[in-house]
Amino acid sequence: DAMVIQNPRYQVTQFGKPVTLSCSQTLNHNVMYWYQQKSSQAPKLLFHYYDKDFNNEADTPDNFQSRRPNTSFCFLDIRSPGLGDAAMYLCATSLGNNGYTFGSGTRLTVV
Amino acid sequence: GENVEQHPSTLSVQEGDSAVIKCTYSDSASNYFPWYKQELGKRPQLIIDIRSNVGEKKDQRIAVTLNKTAKHFSLHITETQPEDSAVYFCAASKNSGYALNFGKGTSLLVTP
Repeated sequence: DAMVIQNPRYQVTQFGKPVTLSCSQTLNHNVMYWYQQKSSQAPKLLFHYYDKDFNNEADTPDNFQSRRPNTSFCFLDIRSPGLGDAAMYLCATSLGNNGYTFGSGTRLTVV
Repeated sequence: GENVEQHPSTLSVQEGDSAVIKCTYSDSASNYFPWYKQELGKRPQLIIDIRSNVGEKKDQRIAVTLNKTAKHFSLHITETQPEDSAVYFCAASKNSGYALNFGKGTSLLVTP
């Protein structure tokens, strides 16, 4: 089935140790998004790619970066995770007037 | 940028009653308004959406209404069931190919 796949589902990383979360899609959607969702809060957009064009939200910390090597894959890099970066990270895709498809998310724990 | 306000933050209803959640948005250019249901630890699931050229849309027990002039839209759930208990988010965007701006969510509890 076409879908958005995030790996891993759970990620534990040490304070300050770089970590990468991955997202892949078989939908051939041209837009990919990364959201951060902390406990009991709404998803917050970090950045998105419209095709190859990278769009960074103004309040996304410099500690967060993203790569999209091709249509199917997108990565979220956290250079130096802090305790405040512990959250669920949701990848989503969309295409034109077709609605969003969210991945299952990666829950990041920072120890 | 777009600002989406959602009320109430928590809502408790008895099984069989109706539930209404309301959202307002600030950007008159927004024209796509989805509603998501999120159960604990799971991804948001799209339950219904509406575009600005439509005033109301219904899907079985769920309906959404949109008032473009007042810039508000509402989710209506009729004949609520315990499995409707979840957090519901409204969102707005310029169309479904652009970033979503989410409301803060409503925690709905349906008691038997």
